[in-house]
Amino acid sequence: AQSVTQLGSHVSVSEGALVLLRCNYSSSVPPYLFWYVQYPNQGLQLLLKYTTGATLVKGINGFEAEFKKSETSFHLTKPSAHMSDAAEYFCAVSEYIQGAQKLVFGQGTRLTINP
Amino acid sequence: EPEVTQTPSHQVTQMGQEVILRCVPISNHLYFYWYRQILGQKVEFLVSFYNNEISEKSEIFDDQFSVERPDGSNFTLKIRSTKLEDSAMYFCASSREGNSNEKLFFGSGTQLSVL
Repeated sequence: AQSVTQLGSHVSVSEGALVLLRCNYSSSVPPYLFWYVQYPNQGLQLLLKYTTGATLVKGINGFEAEFKKSETSFHLTKPSAHMSDAAEYFCAVSEYIQGAQKLVFGQGTRLTINP
Repeated sequence: EPEVTQTPSHQVTQMGQEVILRCVPISNHLYFYWYRQILGQKVEFLVSFYNNEISEKSEIFDDQFSVERPDGSNFTLKIRSTKLEDSAMYFCASSREGNSNEKLFFGSGTQLSVL
């Protein structure tokens, strides 16, 4: 069965600093990987996803993630944090089931941006 | 961008009572899901629904749970006799296709509190 581990339930960075949110996965098949973000009082929103092809994936709001098979990682980065990036971030791996998609999530990382 | 709508945003109920959580998926989507997140824990898959039947359910989704698409727009989750441990944030999601790399659109959730 697939699983996801996010290192750090809470990350705090200064505005303008690099954001790095860590995600490691376990999968017996080539994984499809996702990062979702949840802003306060909103639903989870897709930031980016890796399926096949280029291992560096660019998403919305300046975020990107790199799939590293050798490290079983899919860390999320942004070069320069903005106050509006404060949210909870979820890494997930997709498990195909008959006739539907099932996401297996990590425990989430709450990102705080300090002025 | 189109949205998945969930009502109510908060629901408080007494143990043993029935609750119905309501969702309006995106209109041209064909696959529907419920996930939940108990406070401090991971977001967990509950059930997927396609073509008016359950396509997959987790171990959590026991006989106390049921889903229904009573008309062309609503998708509901019913808990027949709530337990304290059912207290969680419940997220509805939908997608146009059921592929493993599909983007899910999530609602903002219903916070269920069982007293």
